[in-house]
Amino acid sequence: EIVLTQSPATLSLSPGERATLSCRASQSLSSYLDWYQQKPGQAPRLLIFDASDRATGIPARFSGSGSGTDFTLTISSLEPEDFAVYYCQQRRNWPTFGGGTKVEIK
Amino acid sequence: QVQLVQSGAEVKKPGASVRVSCKASGYTFTGYYIHWVRQAPGQGLEWMGWINPHTGGTNYAPRFPGRVTMTGDTSVSTAYMELNRLRYDDTAVYYCARVEGDCTNAGCNWGSFEYWGQGTLVTVSS
Repeated sequence: EIVLTQSPATLSLSPGERATLSCRASQSLSSYLDWYQQKPGQAPRLLIFDASDRATGIPARFSGSGSGTDFTLTISSLEPEDFAVYYCQQRRNWPTFGGGTKVEIK
Repeated sequence: QVQLVQSGAEVKKPGASVRVSCKASGYTFTGYYIHWVRQAPGQGLEWMGWINPHTGGTNYAPRFPGRVTMTGDTSVSTAYMELNRLRYDDTAVYYCARVEGDCTNAGCNWGSFEYWGQGTLVTVSS
């Protein structure tokens, strides 16, 4: 099983600030890494696929980078609606999710 | 548009079984895999397994040995997830997701989990 470790667990920021979220894999994923946003009471929403491609309708302030074992999700300037939990997911054979990073209002 | 609509909340006793349905619309049901993911209260996402509605083939995560069964009914474009011998720690929201996949004997390459059901809360309580 591929283990994904996300850091930090919680990120306390103000609107307008830049958010940088990390996801590290226990083995190489090439670019089979996605990012999801989840708000309370809602299903996860796909933000980034293949490490760096934005899903349909996702604002340009969201960007993904990385390959192999180290990946980053960046939100360039936080909007009020961006405060949520973010998960990375690998989809090689047995999909697994990271433990999540909560982006909360400082 | 693609929609996955799940069945309503359930309350079950320990040791019982639960079946959650996921009705698909807006696409060809047999053209995509259905994956199931669950989320315990306040916890992260846990992948449970998948079903290929076209072939009926399934694959389950190792942590559910003999307890989970995924099926599909192509006549009503609906996938089902049944979990047996329920325990208190099976209390969770269960999601289905539509996923594009390419599986061979060597393994599977999956697309992204772009479409999700709304989730079904299963509560295990005595």
